[in-house]
This record gives sequence, structure tokens and C-alpha cells, in this order.
Amino acid sequence: GQNIDQPTEMTATEGAIVQINCTYQTSGFNGLFWYQQHAGEAPTFLSYNVLDGLEEKGRFSSFLSRSKGYSYLLLKELQMKDSASYLCAVTDSNYQLIWGAGTKLIIKP
Amino acid sequence: EAGVTQFPSHSVIEKGQTVTLRCDPISGHDNLYWYRRVMGKEIKFLLHFVKESKQDESGMPNNRFLAERTGGTYSTLKVQPAELEDSGVYFCASILAITGELFFGEGSRLTVL
Repeated sequence: GQNIDQPTEMTATEGAIVQINCTYQTSGFNGLFWYQQHAGEAPTFLSYNVLDGLEEKGRFSSFLSRSKGYSYLLLKELQMKDSASYLCAVTDSNYQLIWGAGTKLIIKP
Repeated sequence: EAGVTQFPSHSVIEKGQTVTLRCDPISGHDNLYWYRRVMGKEIKFLLHFVKESKQDESGMPNNRFLAERTGGTYSTLKVQPAELEDSGVYFCASILAITGELFFGEGSRLTVL
């Protein structure tokens, strides 16, 4: 079967750095997305990785290793507004998006 | 440019009733997806339209769910008759190219009592 694994919940301190991991097993691979979702709102796009390596975008960076079926989202200089769920999603060989259950990130002052 | 819009934002109905959700994708986006998130669980794929054609409807839970996209513009998702387990948030998303960014609507929250 296809599955995406990510931690259920993480806690970090304002101003610190946090890394959210995602491992996947899918039928084929055509890219990995990270989305941020605040409670009651639609997911918003953070990043898209299709090649191995690190993609940096401001305070957020995303890393992909296709051979290991592994990605992480790195958040730097954490702010209280970063408290949200972070969703990892992979497009399989049929370009269907397979979603992880999300990681709830709690930021403490 | 207007984003993906969904209507209604929240619908409360009784078991056995019918509800129709609507999604207006970004103009020019041929690919339209419906997803559902049940409380506490991951987002689940329902189906994928390319223009007016159903490209993949493998995620539709059963025949009580009917999706249409007449003319390749807006899409509707009808649930008839609704059951308690249909409660959740139904998201619509559109994309210009198959490997590009998905643009999500705000979601339609469905509560079945």
C-alpha cells in the first residue's frame, strides 16, 4: 500500500529551529509537497521538491532524498504564527496526491 | 486574480438529506480536484477532473457521491442521501499544469446530524 509517515505533534520555542520529517512509500514518485494548514482553513502551499537536495525559501527550507523516500521541512526563526499543521504530500505515478496525516506544530514563547 | 472559491462554507443537514457543494476553480485551470478531511484524519483524495472529464474517481467513497463538471468550468459534488460519516471538510483545488502548485479553496464544512 501507499503511505506517508510524519510525526503527529511537535513542540518548539519561539525563535528556535524545528525540523519536521516525512517518509513515504508510494507507487512511483512525481514530486513532494509541503503545505501549511491553520485550524479551520485551507492548506497553503509551502514547497515542491522533485529532485534531490535542499530548496530554501526564506525561513522555510525543504529537503528531499528520493533514494531514501525521505523529506524534511526546516523552519527557522520560529514565530508564534507558525503554529499550524504541516502536511506532507506525494504525487504518485498516476499524479494522484497521497497525503500524510499532518504534523501539529506548537510554538511556545 | 480570483482564487478557488467554494460554496457553501458550512452546511448543516440531517441524515438522509441531500447537499450539493460547488467549486469554482481559477479561470483557465483544466485540472480540478476534490478532497475530504474528516476530523482528526488525513486529507483524502476523492476525484480528479481534466476539463469536464473524470480523470480519476478512485477516491469516491460510494455511489452516494456524484461529482460533475459541466463545460469544464465549475464543479459540483452532490451527496445523496447524506450519512453521519460524510461529515468533514470538503476541499477543492485546481492546478494549471499537472506538476505545478495546487491552489486550494477555503473548503466546505459539512455537518450531518
